[in-house]
Amino acid sequence: AQSVTQLDSHVSVSEGTPVLLRCNYSSSYSPSLFWYVQHPNKGLQLLLKYTSAATLVKGINGFEAEFKKSETSFHLTKPSAHMSDAAEYFCVVSDPDSGYSTLTFGKGTMLLVSP
Amino acid sequence: AAGVIQSPRHLIKEKRETATLKCYPIPRHDTVYWYQQGPGQDPQFLISFYEKMQSDKGSIPDRFSAQQFSDYHSELNMSSLELGDSALYFCASSPPGTSEGDTQYFGPGTRLTVL
Repeated sequence: AQSVTQLDSHVSVSEGTPVLLRCNYSSSYSPSLFWYVQHPNKGLQLLLKYTSAATLVKGINGFEAEFKKSETSFHLTKPSAHMSDAAEYFCVVSDPDSGYSTLTFGKGTMLLVSP
Repeated sequence: AAGVIQSPRHLIKEKRETATLKCYPIPRHDTVYWYQQGPGQDPQFLISFYEKMQSDKGSIPDRFSAQQFSDYHSELNMSSLELGDSALYFCASSPPGTSEGDTQYFGPGTRLTVL
């Protein structure tokens, strides 16, 4: 069975400082891993996706994530936070062994950005 | 680019009433997924359809049913509504093929309020 643990429910940063959102996963096989962002009262937007082609994945809006199999981690980073980055971020795993891809979501990390 | 369309965006119902939510996937996407996101919760997978057949089932109550039609749009039917059904309901779609088939693109959601 697959599972996702987002290690922080809330992360607060100042505008212009780096962002680190932590995620650990558990999966029975080679998973696909995603980060989605949800702004208040909005839908889920795909930030980036890992599928084993490269361990460092670049996404939209300057975000990137590094897959570390030895640590079963897929942390999301951004060098410099912007006020518009304030949102909830979900780390998500998809295990192709399930036959059809069912996404398992982490509990989410709320990113707060102060001026 | 075309996105997933959901209607209605907002719906208010009384207890014990029925509701129908509609989802129109991105053109040429053949798989549709339904998720329920309660207040302050992560999205929970309900059910999915591939080529008009149910492909996977999650934590969908027996009071709910869904189907996918020949034009690939999907409808989620909810009967005997309860207060606890108040949530944001997301539809997602994914394209055919193994390289991208596990990437789900989400609609804006339907916010259902049961009074």
